[in-house]
Amino acid sequence: EAQVTQNPRYLITVTGKKLTVTCSQNMNHEYMSWYRQDPGLGLRQIYYSMNVEVTDKGDVPEGYKVSRKEKRNFPLILESPSPNQTSLYFCASSLSGYGYTFGSGTRLTVV
Amino acid sequence: GQQVMQIPQYQHVQEGEDFTTYCNSSTTLSNIQWYKQRPGGHPVFLIQLVKSGEVKKQKRLTFQFGEAKKNSSLHITATQTTDVGTYFCAGGGNNDMRFGAGTRLTVKP
Repeated sequence: EAQVTQNPRYLITVTGKKLTVTCSQNMNHEYMSWYRQDPGLGLRQIYYSMNVEVTDKGDVPEGYKVSRKEKRNFPLILESPSPNQTSLYFCASSLSGYGYTFGSGTRLTVV
Repeated sequence: GQQVMQIPQYQHVQEGEDFTTYCNSSTTLSNIQWYKQRPGGHPVFLIQLVKSGEVKKQKRLTFQFGEAKKNSSLHITATQTTDVGTYFCAGGGNNDMRFGAGTRLTVKP
């Protein structure tokens, strides 16, 4: 089944403890993006990647890192999480840069 | 930068009534995409509009892209309880895709 897989689905962590949210797609898509979703703000792009080793900042990149060493994987790294990064995170991929397929989401709480 | 505004924020309708959500951009968009997110779920791609004045239909859903490519609408005819969710528009693509804040639709049976 064609899909985007994120892990974990839920995560509660403490301020400052490094964490990684994994994202993998099995559709051989070139484009991948990370979004955060907060009430009333819709989906805001954190980082995106147009191909292996090609990444760029979205609208809200502060406090996040990404890497794209393989086409299928696009992990999101929070080096030192803070409470304002408590949010619902989505990874998404696309063949053409349009019409993204989203993962099921990761609900992160930073206390 | 490019901003995409979406209204209304919420819409509550009786089953069988029509529903429309509107999306407006401050700049010309190369394309507009629409997504639906069910409660507790993830956004699911519905459609992409590219041409000025384009109209596309998916069963009871009608999507329009304005002549100036700065606005778009999604109209649902005779809503059903299965239409419940949040509808997002997204303008542009790749590195300049911006989502509207979404319209949350609830349907009373």
